[in-house]
Amino acid sequence: AQRVTQPEKLLSVFKGAPVELKCNYSYSGSPELFWYVQYSRQRLQLLLRHISRESIKGFTADLNKGETSFHLKKPFAQEEDSAMYYCALRTTTSGTYKYIFGTGTRLKVLA
Amino acid sequence: EAGVTQFPSHSVIEKGQTVTLRCDPISGHDNLYWYRRVMGKEIKFLLHFVKESKQDESGMPNNRFLAERTGGTYSTLKVQPAELEDSGVYFCASSQDLLSHTQYFGPGTRLTVL
Repeated sequence: AQRVTQPEKLLSVFKGAPVELKCNYSYSGSPELFWYVQYSRQRLQLLLRHISRESIKGFTADLNKGETSFHLKKPFAQEEDSAMYYCALRTTTSGTYKYIFGTGTRLKVLA
Repeated sequence: EAGVTQFPSHSVIEKGQTVTLRCDPISGHDNLYWYRRVMGKEIKFLLHFVKESKQDESGMPNNRFLAERTGGTYSTLKVQPAELEDSGVYFCASSQDLLSHTQYFGPGTRLTVL
């Protein structure tokens, strides 16, 4: 079954503390993984994708195929990082693409 | 550049009524997706248009849902008749082509069925 699991509904950390948002996936094919973020009163937007191996706003995520994980990390959380974060898996079937999202994790960065 | 727009932003209807949601993708984007987020659950894929053709509608819950994209521009999602479990936030997203990994999301339509 194709699935994305985000085990934490809510994660609270203090400003300056490290943060890790967990994401595990289940997919028999070659996975393409993404993190999307939704700030308060804004629309959902792409944060980063594993193929780019980039760091956006200090966040990084490494695809670990052995553990089927794509955890999002930031060494020092900032208050403006407070938002809803969704992990997403893009699957390919017969030439069509579909995105499967997790249930999301709300990150609260406390002052 | 205008982003993806959705109308209405909120809709409150009674069970058994009909509601039509509209999505205007970014101009030039051939790919248009509909998603739904039910309270506390994941953002669930509903269907994918490439221009005016339904590429994948495997996520549509049942035949009370009908999506169209006449002319390959804006899309509508009609729910008829609406049931209580249809309540949620309906998102639309568009992307330029299939190779593009960036989907641009609309603000969503919050549907409440009473």
